[in-house]
Amino acid sequence: KAGVTQTPRYLIKTRGQQVTLSCSPISGHRSVSWYQQTPGQGLQFLFEYFSETQRNKGNFPGRFSGRQFSNSRSEMNVSTLELGDSALYLCASSPFSNTGELFFGEGSRLTVL
Amino acid sequence: AQRVTQPEKLLSVFKGAPVELKCNYSYSGSPELFWYVQYSRQRLQLLLRHISRESIKGFTADLNKGETSFHLKKPFAQEEDSAMYYCALRMNNNAGNMLTFGGGTRLMVKP
Repeated sequence: KAGVTQTPRYLIKTRGQQVTLSCSPISGHRSVSWYQQTPGQGLQFLFEYFSETQRNKGNFPGRFSGRQFSNSRSEMNVSTLELGDSALYLCASSPFSNTGELFFGEGSRLTVL
Repeated sequence: AQRVTQPEKLLSVFKGAPVELKCNYSYSGSPELFWYVQYSRQRLQLLLRHISRESIKGFTADLNKGETSFHLKKPFAQEEDSAMYYCALRMNNNAGNMLTFGGGTRLMVKP
């Protein structure tokens, strides 16, 4: 099976812009989670989607949003970008929710200038 | 709020030596604990979970609820064990796949 695929892998934006990141889960996986990884804060949970419904949301401002489509692909959006949003955004999929067993993608590295 | 602490950012051992990566947590409920590993130029991947009570690649970890710890151990380290290790916690209250990660420990196994 193909692994979790994230696009784009790298992108550079300027403050105030918005960005959309995409994640294609492993075939058959219905849960998609997003994490932000930074040197200062480490890995932090953003949100999880399961069968197109948001299950949980982490402690991030409303500028961070996401959605999941009927084919389980997911997107996350960050509006009004700030310098502090520079990070590696990791997507992880799982066949089920409530397992904690995640299959991670390689991440999308966002740089905000 | 739940929290996971990995006190060592870097752990360096010689090949063949025992290794113990420490993980402490704080959570008022009954948690599920995991170890994830990231080898150089590879994706973050699950190494083991406490519920399975398995030994993976020679690594074991026991959940000690009294000490709120979930240390990862291996009796004889190998060079291929060099990687970044993350301890993670899942709450048992309908948390879905929301994990709280520790800051990570980089293990370097020297020849």
